[in-house]
Amino acid sequence: GQNIDQPTEMTATEGAIVQINCTYQTSGFNGLFWYQQHAGEAPTFLSYNVLDGLEEKGRFSSFLSRSKGYSYLLLKELQMKDSASYLCAVRDYGGSQGNLIFGKGTKLSVKP
Amino acid sequence: SQTIHQWPATLVQPVGSPLSLECTVEGTSNPNLYWYRQAAGRGLQLLFYSVGIGQISSEVPQNLSASRPQDRQFILSSKKLLLSDSGFYLCAWSPRSGLAGFNEQFFGPGTRLTVL
Repeated sequence: GQNIDQPTEMTATEGAIVQINCTYQTSGFNGLFWYQQHAGEAPTFLSYNVLDGLEEKGRFSSFLSRSKGYSYLLLKELQMKDSASYLCAVRDYGGSQGNLIFGKGTKLSVKP
Repeated sequence: SQTIHQWPATLVQPVGSPLSLECTVEGTSNPNLYWYRQAAGRGLQLLFYSVGIGQISSEVPQNLSASRPQDRQFILSSKKLLLSDSGFYLCAWSPRSGLAGFNEQFFGPGTRLTVL
C-alpha cells in the first residue's frame, strides 16, 4: 500500500533550527515535494527532491534518501511567520498514475 | 503569469442540498486539474483529476462528481450533501509538460464547506 508518515506537531523557538521528518512507502517513486500551509490557506510549494541528497533554498533545505524511504525538511533561523503546517507529498507512478500522495502534515509552532 | 481562482470562499449548506464549486485557471493551457479535500485532522485527499476536457478520473468512491466543460474550468458537484462532505476543498493545476517528474502543483485559495 501507500503510506506517508510525518509527526503531527512540533514546537521550536524563534531563531532556532528545526527538522521535520517524513517517511514513505509507495509502490513507485518519482519525486518528493514539501509544501507549506498556513492555517486556512492553500499549500504553497517549498521544495522538490528526486535524487538522493540535500537541496538548499535560502533558510529551507530538503534531504532525500530513496533507499530508506526518508526525507526531511530543515528550517533554519526560525521566524514567527514559519508557524504553519508542512506537508510531505510523494509522486508515485506505480499506483496513482503520477498524482501526489500527501502526508497528514506537521503543524509547527514557533515560539518567541 | 498563471493564476487559479476558486469560488465561493466559504459555504454553509444543509444536509441534502446540492453543491457546485468552480475552479478556473488563467495564463496556461491544457493543464492537469485536481480537486482535493482536507478534513480536520486528515491529510489532503485527492478526489478527482483531469488531463483534458471531459476526462475525469476519480480516486475514491464518494458522494461527489466532477466535470471539466472547458480546458481551464473544473467543477465539483454533489446532488445531495452529507455531513461527512464538510471540509476544505482545494483545486490545483499542474503543467502538462515540463521537466521529467517535476510537475509542481499550484493550489487555489480553497473553499471551506460546512454541511449542517
